[in-house]
Amino acid sequence: SQQGEEDPQALSIQEGENATMNCSYKTSINNLQWYRQNSGRGLVHLILIRSNEREKHSGRLRVTLDTSKKSSSLLITASRAADTASYFCATDPFGTDKLIFGTGTRLQVFP
Amino acid sequence: NAGVTQTPKFQVLKTGQSMTLQCAQDMNHNSMYWYRQDPGMGLRLIYYSASEGTTDKGEVPNGYNVSRLNKREFSLRLESAAPSQTSVYFCASRGTGGVNEQFFGPGTRLTVL
Repeated sequence: SQQGEEDPQALSIQEGENATMNCSYKTSINNLQWYRQNSGRGLVHLILIRSNEREKHSGRLRVTLDTSKKSSSLLITASRAADTASYFCATDPFGTDKLIFGTGTRLQVFP
Repeated sequence: NAGVTQTPKFQVLKTGQSMTLQCAQDMNHNSMYWYRQDPGMGLRLIYYSASEGTTDKGEVPNGYNVSRLNKREFSLRLESAAPSQTSVYFCASRGTGGVNEQFFGPGTRLTVL
């Protein structure tokens, strides 16, 4: 399978805590993206980090990328109950017009 | 703008029946994609179309066919449905010119009995 791997598969935290999820991938990439999926809905793009970047911030989101280890992490700070969703990483390999999605992390944030 | 729309939202088929899932986007995007999502498997690419008139196989194309009818529409056809095709199907589109984000439709939940 070309899919990337994410861990943990599931994560439960209290509101206000930080949530960290990790993604590993297999190929050389142009960029790596993170998406969010609320239950029963389509995916929504959160943030993109290019292969020559090491860290990127967007609001309460912080993404890191280590191309030497072929891994990325997504940190959600000061989580809220509304952050409850599944989060997927997706890699954009060189020379293709498609994304390869990871298996996802299910995040549950308790009020 | 409606973004990416899919029809139907739900469908139940019997083994051997055929059906077509419809997808349309109004963002003038060149690339369109069909994925299936199974529990614990994330999204797997079935077929994609980099531009009008072209289609390519993804990771799991067997049992499916696609048509890129025009720039807006990309349909997915199951000729003889099997229980293994029970899944949620998502269509997505993506623009060009350095914009790499994909935009997703709301999905079609398909059950094959």
